[in-house]
Amino acid sequence: EDQVTQSPEALRLQEGESSSLNCSYTVSGLRGLFWYRQDPGKGPEFLFTLYSAGEEKEKERLKATLTKKESFLHITAPKPEDSATYLCAVQAASGGYQKVTFGTGTKLQVIP
Amino acid sequence: DVKVTQSSRYLVKRTGEKVFLECVQDMDHENMFWYRQDPGLGLRLIYFSYDVKMKEKGDIPEGYSVSREKKERFSLILESASTNQTSMYLCASSSPKGSNTEAFFGQGTRLTVV
Repeated sequence: EDQVTQSPEALRLQEGESSSLNCSYTVSGLRGLFWYRQDPGKGPEFLFTLYSAGEEKEKERLKATLTKKESFLHITAPKPEDSATYLCAVQAASGGYQKVTFGTGTKLQVIP
Repeated sequence: DVKVTQSSRYLVKRTGEKVFLECVQDMDHENMFWYRQDPGLGLRLIYFSYDVKMKEKGDIPEGYSVSREKKERFSLILESASTNQTSMYLCASSSPKGSNTEAFFGQGTRLTVV
């Protein structure tokens, strides 16, 4: 069974204090790993897709990296508007509908 | 811009009522999904559809059904609402083609069953 574990569950940072969120996964053949941002009361918003170990993608203050067992979302010099829950999901290569399994998220709070 | 629209942001229904949640996407995506999201449990897949009139059960289909009569529209039906179906419901769509297979989500429907 595919599994996704995110840590920490919650993270509180001072504005400008860089850190990383972790997503550990087990999947029967990885087709893709996704990162989403979710604001309170809203649906998840797509950030990145990573397909193979060693791949990296960046967007503003966010950088996602991927190994064979985990992914990191690095946040550099965060701002209060980066406060949100960040979700990780994996898509298995097998399965007729490209099954996607989500983690429970890391709730990030950035304090001014 | 890519858009998935859910018909209601908030709903309050009584136990035993039949409830319809509607979702429309404008991206011509083949795949559509219904998830529910509960604290500590993450997103759990209820049903998905990969084509018009096609549907497959997800991880937690009990107490739910779905309908997809048109490519752009996917409806979730709670046959007889119960209090344990109080949750945030999220609709999503994606395309199985090409390299971009990420899902796009609607804004969510917060359903309360009393």
